[in-house]
Amino acid sequence: GNSVTQMEGPVTLSEEAFLTINCTYTATGYPSLFWYVQYPGEGLQLLLKATKADDKGSNKGFEATYRKETTSFHLEKGSVQVSDSAVYFCALSGGNTGFQKLVFGTGTRLLVSP
Amino acid sequence: SQTIHQWPATLVQPVGSPLSLECTVEGTSNPNLYWYRQAAGRGLQLLFYSVGIGQISSEVPQNLSASRPQDRQFILSSKKLLLSDSGFYLCAWNKGKNIQYFGAGTRLSVL
Repeated sequence: GNSVTQMEGPVTLSEEAFLTINCTYTATGYPSLFWYVQYPGEGLQLLLKATKADDKGSNKGFEATYRKETTSFHLEKGSVQVSDSAVYFCALSGGNTGFQKLVFGTGTRLLVSP
Repeated sequence: SQTIHQWPATLVQPVGSPLSLECTVEGTSNPNLYWYRQAAGRGLQLLFYSVGIGQISSEVPQNLSASRPQDRQFILSSKKLLLSDSGFYLCAWNKGKNIQYFGAGTRLSVL
């Protein structure tokens, strides 16, 4: 079945450091890929998405590129801020999962210190 | 614009007690609705989804049930809570687009 694997957390960085959170997936067909963010005490918000191979999603300084050859969708940011501290979820939909259903990774907690 | 509401925000319930969590969506009609659970230290798991009134699909066998009595209302219930039902419950909706919009969640502690 479809699945998403994320790197274990927490990831601890100092402000202005470079961030990478790895995400790989297994799916049949051509899934859409997403990154969602969950700030403390809140629900999930869509951060960015990509719907086909080589697409790059971007938002708030975060980027992720849909790499079909490596089945990856790694999240990057050049300079993190304290306000980026949150849990980040990689997810996919489509393919065998069905158009409307999301399959999530386990989430990666990011802690940014001043 | 569309909004999604969940309540209550937090809930502490004894083992064996019933549960009712409510989710409503405003500003759209006939949305797809979803219930997810996030257990401590684990990722999000889809529990139920609904594509219309009275239409419920269950993703995993469990102690919970869902109902959709009205177009924009989605209810998660249990007759008798277990300790393992503790977690963070999230409701979500979408329509047409391949993006889901989440509520703020309900943190349930079963003691």
